[in-house]
Amino acid sequence: AQSVTQPDIHITVSEGASLELRCNYSYGATPYLFWYVQSPGQGLQLLLKYFSGDTLVQGIKGFEAEFKRSQSSFNLRKPSVHWSDAAEYFCAVTTDSWGKFQFGAGTQVVVTP
Amino acid sequence: DGGITQSPKYLFRKEGQNVTLSCEQNLNHDAMYWYRQDPGQGLRLIYYSQIVNDFQKGDIAEGYSVSREKKESFPLTVTSAQKNPTAFYLCASSMKGVLHSGANVLTFGAGSRLTVL
Repeated sequence: AQSVTQPDIHITVSEGASLELRCNYSYGATPYLFWYVQSPGQGLQLLLKYFSGDTLVQGIKGFEAEFKRSQSSFNLRKPSVHWSDAAEYFCAVTTDSWGKFQFGAGTQVVVTP
Repeated sequence: DGGITQSPKYLFRKEGQNVTLSCEQNLNHDAMYWYRQDPGQGLRLIYYSQIVNDFQKGDIAEGYSVSREKKESFPLTVTSAQKNPTAFYLCASSMKGVLHSGANVLTFGAGSRLTVL
């Protein structure tokens, strides 16, 4: 069965420290991969996407993600976290040309002073 | 600025009532979607529509209904048949296009929170 897994439900990180959020997928073919961020009570904003080509993709707000086909992973990273990065982060995948997405359960990020 | 407008932001419903959530987009997107969000479960697809006057069930369509009479509008009705309707509902849209063009990236509205009293 197709699935998207975010193993970490909750992560606490100190401001200025690095952050890595994990995403693993199980699909028959390489899907198209996305990371979205959601602030409390808001909709989702696209951080970055991977369709093909360079496996290290850059996104907004200083985030980057690396696609590793051998590990079926698409982990999100940020070298130095800011307090405004506290939010919930969702990994999403699609193989559908119309964009029917499957979302992971999300990772809640808390930033401490 | 183009975007997706969802209303109302907060909605309270008594058991047995139908309620309708509004979703309007001015992005000229072809496809529109409704997702339900519950804590710890991510987003689950309720219904989606690729063109006017056509829509398909998603993974959790039971107890919900939609219409797509205009390209810009995709209202969701939560019926009394939905056993557990309290949730955060997100509307999204995307352009028609093949995957690698990037045209299918989802744009989201700000959401509507429905609470059953």
